[in-house]
Amino acid sequence: DAKTTQPPSMDCAEGRAANLPCNHSTISGNEYVYWYRQIHSQGPQYIIHGLKNNETNEMASLIITEDRKSSTLILPHATLRDTAVYYCIVRSHSGGGADGLTFGKGTHLIIQP
Amino acid sequence: DAGVIQSPRHEVTEMGQEVTLRCKPISGHNSLFWYRQTMMRGLELLIYFNNNVPIDDSGMPEDRFSAKMPNASFSTLKIQPSEPRDSAVYFCASLGGNTIYFGEGSWLTVV
Repeated sequence: DAKTTQPPSMDCAEGRAANLPCNHSTISGNEYVYWYRQIHSQGPQYIIHGLKNNETNEMASLIITEDRKSSTLILPHATLRDTAVYYCIVRSHSGGGADGLTFGKGTHLIIQP
Repeated sequence: DAGVIQSPRHEVTEMGQEVTLRCKPISGHNSLFWYRQTMMRGLELLIYFNNNVPIDDSGMPEDRFSAKMPNASFSTLKIQPSEPRDSAVYFCASLGGNTIYFGEGSWLTVV
């Protein structure tokens, strides 16, 4: 079973920040929080990951609460091309780093024009 | 970098036929994963390899499914014989550093 809980769907206006929440209350100390997205008919695309500090890259920002039980993915200026299913996944880097990703149902983010 | 390359992108086959899906991971990546995606079950991990050795095949649905990785740059997922319920999108992915990168998938329809 997936170890994360996400809302099934969200809407966001084009040009606004999209904030996608994720609960992972049973996360263990060596597990990272990963975000992927899947645009229709494409393979899942890596967005960002973090352990306990906030992270930012060219695609998004990841805010992890101090107790690490939840996180938020922020797309700062959403565009129509950001419409996709967003998956929050917890994953350990142990075991040689070869642990796979366990996908839940994700959040279907719809960007409205 | 060309990314993870999968072939065929689309395949329609008749029930009972053998299906072979192919994957070329990103060069230098030591782990390779096969996933299946359906509307009912979402994305499921079927099997993964580390340094060409199968590590965990507990997700392989039945004996009709088999996967091989003869070298670091090639893997196959075979279904023999195929059944309509095998219709799905099959994704291959490879691990670089701590990030898993996916191919664009092979869309399989078994009629």
